[in-house]
Amino acid sequence: GAGVSQTPSNKVTEKGKYVELRCDPISGHTALYWYRQSLGQGPEFLIYFQGTGAADDSGLPNDRFFAVRPEGSVSTLKIQRTERGDSAVYLCASSLGISGTDTQYFGPGTRLTVL
Amino acid sequence: TQLLEQSPQFLSIQEGENLTVYCNSSSVFSSLQWYRQEPGEGPVLLVTVVTGGEVKKLKRLTFQFGDARKDSSLHITAAQPGDTGLYLCAGEYHAGKSTFGDGTTLTVKP
Repeated sequence: GAGVSQTPSNKVTEKGKYVELRCDPISGHTALYWYRQSLGQGPEFLIYFQGTGAADDSGLPNDRFFAVRPEGSVSTLKIQRTERGDSAVYLCASSLGISGTDTQYFGPGTRLTVL
Repeated sequence: TQLLEQSPQFLSIQEGENLTVYCNSSSVFSSLQWYRQEPGEGPVLLVTVVTGGEVKKLKRLTFQFGDARKDSSLHITAAQPGDTGLYLCAGEYHAGKSTFGDGTTLTVKP
């Protein structure tokens, strides 16, 4: 079956612009996660959803970052007034549930470059 | 913030050698995962350990969770070039939330 997909695969934008990153999870997975991975580092938790609601957004770095999952499937990560420090690979993952024993399946990521 | 320190950061060995990667923290985790990540792709789960002292084997890979659930190790026996990649550990500290180590980049030379 289809895995987690993310679009676009690459996004180049200018400082101050607004960007949206999309994640299509595996069908039937209720949990969806967003991570950010900077060069040479491991993924950093941003937010996770159970169904439509953001269960925990404590990892979002500031109020320029926002994510939605209106119908409990596709999710969009939105970044306002982008800064050069936002440049990173943004990873999405989905799982059946939020237990540590529920396997998280990752998408290939969106590489965001802010010039 | 829960921190997971992985060591070594880089490891380059010859085919057939054994190696161990370590993942250490001062925090207790309810579970710990090991992933492998290839360039341009997301991490892929190798194993989840849950119980302190647990040992899991996956072919030539052996994973151990520390008794206190604060540390873990990954041992590879007779490494092969196909084992080359980035290995990441991740500790679950709250339902739905995990902290990742910065990874070990393994290169196995034929």
